[in-house]
Amino acid sequence: EAQVTQNPRYLITVTGKKLTVTCSQNMNHEYMSWYRQDPGLGLRQIYYSMNVEVTDKGDVPEGYKVSRKEKRNFPLILESPSPNQTSLYFCASSYRGLSQPQHFGDGTRLSIL
Amino acid sequence: GNSVTQMEGPVTLSEEAFLTINCTYTATGYPSLFWYVQYPGEGLQLLLKATKADDKGSNKGFEATYRKETTSFHLEKGSVQVSDSAVYFCALPSQNRDDKIIFGKGTRLHILP
Repeated sequence: EAQVTQNPRYLITVTGKKLTVTCSQNMNHEYMSWYRQDPGLGLRQIYYSMNVEVTDKGDVPEGYKVSRKEKRNFPLILESPSPNQTSLYFCASSYRGLSQPQHFGDGTRLSIL
Repeated sequence: GNSVTQMEGPVTLSEEAFLTINCTYTATGYPSLFWYVQYPGEGLQLLLKATKADDKGSNKGFEATYRKETTSFHLEKGSVQVSDSAVYFCALPSQNRDDKIIFGKGTRLHILP
């Protein structure tokens, strides 16, 4: 089954404790992206990757890192999480091209205390 | 750059009512237009799309027509069901960044039995 898998689905942690949210897709998509979803703000893009070893900042990259060492994986790293990073996070992937639909994971709800 | 505006929710309807969720866009040229749906506890998934002016996208009883004269892509369904309760997002590609999709803020739909 074609899917984007995120882990963990839920995480409660404390300020400053490094964490990684994993994302993996099995559709051989070149493009991958991370979003955060907050009430009243909609979806905001954090980072994206056009292909292996190519990553770039989205609209709200501060406090986040990503890597793309393999085509299928695109982890999101919070080196020193802070409470303002409490949010619902989504990973998405697609083939290249402006008409290609994005495929989303089921989300990771992060709470930073 | 390209942008999208959709009606704010929440929208509450009774089962079997007619649904319209308004979406208007600003774009250079005629990009593809999308509607995504987010069911509770899940990620976004593509509902329908239209790739050129006057195209009608349809899926699961939902329809939307790409209207260049009014720069609109309103989502409609003739008879909604409780299972249609979700958040709906209108979207289009960014003009300024390859492969980025710009999402509207989302419209929450509640269907009462």
